This record gives sequence, structure tokens and C-alpha cells, in this order.
Amino acid sequence: GENVEQHPSTLSVQEGDSAVIKCTYSDSASNYFPWYKQELGKGPQLIIDIRSNVGEKKDQRIAVTLNKTAKHFSLHITETQPEDSAVYFCAASGGQRRSYDKVIFGPGTSLSVIP
Amino acid sequence: SAVISQKPSRDICQRGTSLTIQCQVDSQVTMMFWYRQQPGQSLTLIATANQGSEATYESGFVIDKFPISRPNLTFSTLTVSNMSPEDSSIYLCSVPGQSGNTIYFGEGSWLTVV
Repeated sequence: GENVEQHPSTLSVQEGDSAVIKCTYSDSASNYFPWYKQELGKGPQLIIDIRSNVGEKKDQRIAVTLNKTAKHFSLHITETQPEDSAVYFCAASGGQRRSYDKVIFGPGTSLSVIP
Repeated sequence: SAVISQKPSRDICQRGTSLTIQCQVDSQVTMMFWYRQQPGQSLTLIATANQGSEATYESGFVIDKFPISRPNLTFSTLTVSNMSPEDSSIYLCSVPGQSGNTIYFGEGSWLTVV
């Protein structure tokens, strides 16, 4: 089955700097890669996603890149702000008949943005 | 995305008791998913709740411990039975988005077993 690894497990950056979180996946059939942000006391919130036919996607300060050959994808947050502090989860799906049947999550990255 | 409401949001439970968590969605969805998030850990799929049929459980999760109901296309319940401290977790309901790939989560039910 699919296995998703995520690094680093914790990340501290100064406000205004960039943050990068990297994930790798094992199932070459996976074709959908969402990223979730979980703030303390809340459920995970989808922040951006990418499909396997796209190499990069941007949404304001957030971007995701995908390298299908190497089976890794990354989240980039630019101009970080204190409200970006949260746990971020990458995930992979699509190896099954329907993409959302088996969404496999990485272990998470705790991001702290220092004012 | 759908609005997903869970009850209770938090609870402290006695060892050996059972607790039922409710999940209500503001639109009809074909599938609902129940996840567990143990303290400081990632999200693990417990089961898929299918309307009109038995839930499909993932490896390591059994119906006797986590019975699920899905009486209609907007509602599901997860029961955590005969709880032990190891069941202290966040239990999350999720539903697929209209695009068919994405899943969205409720705010979770935070259970502490003492």
C-alpha cells in the first residue's frame, strides 16, 4: 500500500522567511496530493492540492511542486506570518479505483513562525 | 466545501464505557469517512461509512470496537466501545468534495479516557 513520508517533523522560521516541507510517496499510481493545515484545537483544513498532470500550483503565498519521477512533492510558504504556525500534513491518494477511497497522510510537520 | 458538524466536540470518558460521536453534513454525500488522530500523530482511516450497507473497516479496526451507522446521506455515527486510555484521540469525520478527489474534515471530537 501507499506510504507517505514527510520532513522535517518540526520547523521554526523567522516571520517573513520562507518555509519548505517535503514529502515522498511510494505508490506510483497515486495521482492526487493535497496539503492540510491543522491549527490547535481544530480539524485539518485543505489549503492546496495538486494533481499528477501538473508540476506546480500557486495560491498567493503558498505553492506546491510535484516530481512524479522522483515521487516527491513539496509545500512552499513565502513571507511567513505568525498565523501560519500550525501542523501541516501532506497526503497522497488515487492508487485505488477512486481517489478519495484511500487518502494516506504523512506524519505531519509542526511549523512555528517566530515574530 | 460541505459544512461538517460533529458532536460532542470534547468529552472525558470513564474507562469501560462507550461513546457515540455524531457527524452531520449540510449536503448529501455518497461516502463519509471516520479518522482517528492519536495525540501528536497523523490521521489514520478507521472506516468508510456507506449508506444502506455495512461500513468498510481498515486493517486494525473492527466493527465490535467501532460500530458505525449511516442511516441517510447526511448523517453518520461512530461509537467507541469499551474505552481504554489508549482510545484517547481526536475522532474526525470527513466527506469527499464535489471534485471527487478532495476530502474535507469536521472539527473533530476530542476524547480523553480516564
